[in-house]
Amino acid sequence: ETGVTQSPTHLIKTRGQQVTLRCSSQSGHNTVSWYQQALGQGPQFIFQYYREEENGRGNFPPRFSGLQFPNYSSELNVNALELDDSALYLCASSYRGAHLNEQFFGPGTRLTVL
Amino acid sequence: DAKTTQPPSMDCAEGRAANLPCNHSTISGNEYVYWYRQIHSQGPQYIIHGLKNNETNEMASLIITEDRKSSTLILPHATLRDTAVYYCIVRVDSNDYKLSFGAGTTVTVRA
Repeated sequence: ETGVTQSPTHLIKTRGQQVTLRCSSQSGHNTVSWYQQALGQGPQFIFQYYREEENGRGNFPPRFSGLQFPNYSSELNVNALELDDSALYLCASSYRGAHLNEQFFGPGTRLTVL
Repeated sequence: DAKTTQPPSMDCAEGRAANLPCNHSTISGNEYVYWYRQIHSQGPQYIIHGLKNNETNEMASLIITEDRKSSTLILPHATLRDTAVYYCIVRVDSNDYKLSFGAGTTVTVRA
């Protein structure tokens, strides 16, 4: 069973640029959620994708967008990067339809915005 | 989802039991208590969850009070590898898999 993988592991961008982060879900999972974790804080929910559509969104502006592909992998795109976007971005996969199935997290992508 | 309150940090001696408290006084009848932990530089890891009854698995035990307003996660024999931030989360059983993390408890296991 392959776990959740994310790429890249680290990334440095400058303010105003755009970034794309990638996530491969665990085998058999059909739902992907993205979280942002600032230094010293708990992860904050960005949005979730199921059947290639956004299914729930946290308090994040529209410049945070995503995609889910037919193989259930996902991308997180952030436009017009701001300094406060510097954080660890976590992807989690789960199987929608299973009773209380827990989310499995990837190792995260560390984004630094200069 | 109901809010949770956890102490910001605690120390534990290696080999001893670690008891991590969590208050969730506004929990609703259909909300479950979940525990996750996050070891430094890794993604959060699921530990255990419960509704009313006490639960035990290979990692930990979860004790929920009868009024469900608080719970305790027990690591029976803490090791250095249990040093992590532990998050207590309450959520409804639904297709909404959003997890609402607080600041958690930073647990340091000392030799």
